[in-house]
Amino acid sequence: KAGVTQTPRYLIKTRGQQVTLSCSPISGHRSVSWYQQTPGQGLQFLFEYFSETQRNKGNFPGRFSGRQFSNSRSEMNVSTLELGDSALYLCASSGTEVNTEAFFGQGTRLTVV
Amino acid sequence: AQSVTQLDSQVPVFEEAPVELRCNYSSSVSVYLFWYVQYPNQGLQLLLKYLSGSTLVKGINGFEAEFNKSQTSFHLRKPSVHISDTAEYFCAVSDLYDYKLSFGAGTTVTVRA
Repeated sequence: KAGVTQTPRYLIKTRGQQVTLSCSPISGHRSVSWYQQTPGQGLQFLFEYFSETQRNKGNFPGRFSGRQFSNSRSEMNVSTLELGDSALYLCASSGTEVNTEAFFGQGTRLTVV
Repeated sequence: AQSVTQLDSQVPVFEEAPVELRCNYSSSVSVYLFWYVQYPNQGLQLLLKYLSGSTLVKGINGFEAEFNKSQTSFHLRKPSVHISDTAEYFCAVSDLYDYKLSFGAGTTVTVRA
């Protein structure tokens, strides 16, 4: 069974640009969550989608958005990039009705210059 | 809302020695508890989880953890570490009906020969 796949693995963007990151969950998983990991703030929850609906959202500005497609694949978008958005963005998928286990992808390393 | 405190930011340890990583959490509701490991430039891998039942939980790679409800702790232990256990370890909590994981700041374990 393939794991959670995140693309691309690495990205370099310029301040002010926008970026879209992609996550393909494990087959059959309907929940996809996104996390931002930085040295200063650690791992922070961005949002969670289940069956194309956002069920939960973390404390991030509106520049951070996401969506989920009917095949459970998810994308997150960051508009008007700032230097502080440089981070490892991790996607996790869960297949159970409650959060008994989240499987993480390898992440997308975003560098904003 | 939940929060997690990992009491040690760095733990140096010699190969074949035991190690304990301490984690305390706060929550007003019942929770699930997790330990994840992260190797450099990788995503998070689940080591073990406490959902219910026995308070002593065994995980992969010889790790185990004990849930203590009265002390709101979930400490991770390994009786004999290997060089390959060098990594960052995260304690996480979620409530029973929420896919959002709240993480501690992480503990970096460095195993020396």
